Amino acid sequence: RKEVEQDPGPFNVPEGATVAFNCTYSNSASQSFFWYRQDCRKEPKLLMSVYSSGNEDGRFTAQLNRASQYISLLIRDSKLSDSATYLCVVVDSGGGADGLTFGKGTHLIIQP
Amino acid sequence: DGGITQSPKYLFRKEGQNVTLSCEQNLNHDAMYWYRQDPGQGLRLIYYSQIVNDFQKGDIAEGYSVSREKKESFPLTVTSAQKNPTAFYLCASRPGQGDTNEKLFFGSGTQLSVL
Repeated sequence: RKEVEQDPGPFNVPEGATVAFNCTYSNSASQSFFWYRQDCRKEPKLLMSVYSSGNEDGRFTAQLNRASQYISLLIRDSKLSDSATYLCVVVDSGGGADGLTFGKGTHLIIQP
Repeated sequence: DGGITQSPKYLFRKEGQNVTLSCEQNLNHDAMYWYRQDPGQGLRLIYYSQIVNDFQKGDIAEGYSVSREKKESFPLTVTSAQKNPTAFYLCASRPGQGDTNEKLFFGSGTQLSVL
């Protein structure tokens, strides 16, 4: 069975610090990867796609390590508003619904 | 603005009652999904549909039913056979053209509780 694993946390981090967390996946044929952010009792919202070359969007950097089968999310200069649960999504080839696998999320708490 | 609309935001079910959650999208997406989320848990797939008049069971379809009569609409019925329906239900859609880079868009969710 395809698996996507995340450290559930919570990660308690002081404001302004840098925090990183990973998401490991079991299917070496996985094609696409995404990070979503979910606030309590809200819908997940796309944070960023993860490209093979790595990508950056402001304070957020996502990277893919195919050899070790994980993706990572780095948040620099963390803000109180970054407190949320971060979900990784792994998509297998074919793109059908059963090709989408969600991690259970990493809970991040930024403390003042 | 294009998007996915779920209603109602909160829903209460009595014992033995069927209830229907609405999901409508105007993104012209082919693929639509229903997920269930329990507190502190990940998303679990209930049903999905990749084209009108066709749908497939997900991992936890028992006690649920769906229909896809129109491209825009994918309602979920929680039947009385679902003995533990209390959860946060999320509808999602994506273009569904087979490109693995297609992003998934979510509705705002429905919180279902049992009276």
